[in-house]
Amino acid sequence: DQQVKQNSPSLSVQEGRISILNCDYTNSMFDYFLWYKKYPAEGPTFLISISSIKDKNEDGRFTVFLNKSAKHLSLHIVPSQPGDSAVYFCAARYAGGTSYGKLTFGQGTILTVHP
Amino acid sequence: ETGVTQTPRHLVMGMTNKKSLKCEQHLGHNAMYWYKQSAKKPLELMFVYNFKEQTENNSVPSRFSPECPNSSHLFLHLHTLQPEDSALYLCASSLTSGMVYEQYFGPGTRLTVT
Repeated sequence: DQQVKQNSPSLSVQEGRISILNCDYTNSMFDYFLWYKKYPAEGPTFLISISSIKDKNEDGRFTVFLNKSAKHLSLHIVPSQPGDSAVYFCAARYAGGTSYGKLTFGQGTILTVHP
Repeated sequence: ETGVTQTPRHLVMGMTNKKSLKCEQHLGHNAMYWYKQSAKKPLELMFVYNFKEQTENNSVPSRFSPECPNSSHLFLHLHTLQPEDSALYLCASSLTSGMVYEQYFGPGTRLTVT
């Protein structure tokens, strides 16, 4: 049972346009959400996060939106740049139990930004 | 060295071999993690250590044996692996206090079991 899902395996966007990556979750006990970016032959790199008490967090070109009622979050990249081409993972932190900092990851979405 | 380092970066081993993966973090974190990433699958959490104590074992087969001698070092000892264990093994670290939950990853070890 996959609790964090990224239903789009890939996304192709023109340079300068907006990239929107989506993520859905099923567990209402998740209280913190993160986005990671991964280049080939490297580990995932933390990008941006949002607490469940907020609905938006912005950092430069990156904005994460959280819709708790829909159990949905999205990452917006504006404007998209060729260097943004990578695999993007969303992750969620479980608030309960003794699982210190345990994160559950989605399958990832491959973003390709064309010049 | 900065961040999270992992050695070796690539490893090929036979099913009867014994090898170890090493992870070191230079971030002052107290928690360390092992993840497995297989092709087209989400990252799978394997083990969690918090202040050297194992707090999570995600039903990992005993042919994978973790060791955490201190908060900065984490090992994954491997023996009698199967070909389906071939994957990218990622180490991560984080703080577990305050409101900071970001995990920082190493570059991974690409393991091939022949």
